[in-house]
Amino acid sequence: DTEVTQTPKHLVMGMTNKKSLKCEQHMGHRAMYWYKQKAKKPPELMFVYSYEKLSINESVPSRFSPECPNSSLLNLHLHALQPEDSALYLCASSQDIGQGARKTQYFGPGTRLLVL
Amino acid sequence: GNSVTQMEGPVTLSEEAFLTINCTYTATGYPSLFWYVQYPGEGLQLLLKATKADDKGSNKGFEATYRKETTSFHLEKGSVQVSDSAVYFCALIRTGGGADGLTFGKGTHLIIQP
Repeated sequence: DTEVTQTPKHLVMGMTNKKSLKCEQHMGHRAMYWYKQKAKKPPELMFVYSYEKLSINESVPSRFSPECPNSSLLNLHLHALQPEDSALYLCASSQDIGQGARKTQYFGPGTRLLVL
Repeated sequence: GNSVTQMEGPVTLSEEAFLTINCTYTATGYPSLFWYVQYPGEGLQLLLKATKADDKGSNKGFEATYRKETTSFHLEKGSVQVSDSAVYFCALIRTGGGADGLTFGKGTHLIIQP
């Protein structure tokens, strides 16, 4: 089973709202990722967690706040977003950040976010 | 830095045609290589992978071979179906240990006509 789940599937929020995206995997993976994908573009890396610790933050604005409460869960807290933040937000996981095939990433279905 | 180049399309083929989507890469060392597929309105699905030179990845009739000498990982399928219509992303990641994100090509939009 290589399933990563994400909720909600769709989200509409105003610029003053606070919302959270949730990602879950039960494959025993110890690395989890957030990517942002704009229409007709490839995904762009935002954050990497390894063993529940933040390993990479790709200079993401502070209005995006990741959290990894345990090895199966990854959250992305959103606050004071801008319309240009509207995108598909993809979560992924991999066995860990070791060598070779261990870094193979499996993606969830994404949350489609619209900021008004 | 790392980069991936692939034809962007759209690529339009008739059902049962032979498919090739070219992918070349630039990377330090020998990365792991992947093809992901994205159907409309969905996330990315891992289609196949290869983690060392001369490895062949295969899945659902698709194949790709890791060619170190030409730094390529071209995707092929002998007979495409309408259901193969999607966007295909070639991607790489550093093989050594350490946190990394995937480096993606721009994606190839494939349209299969009945």
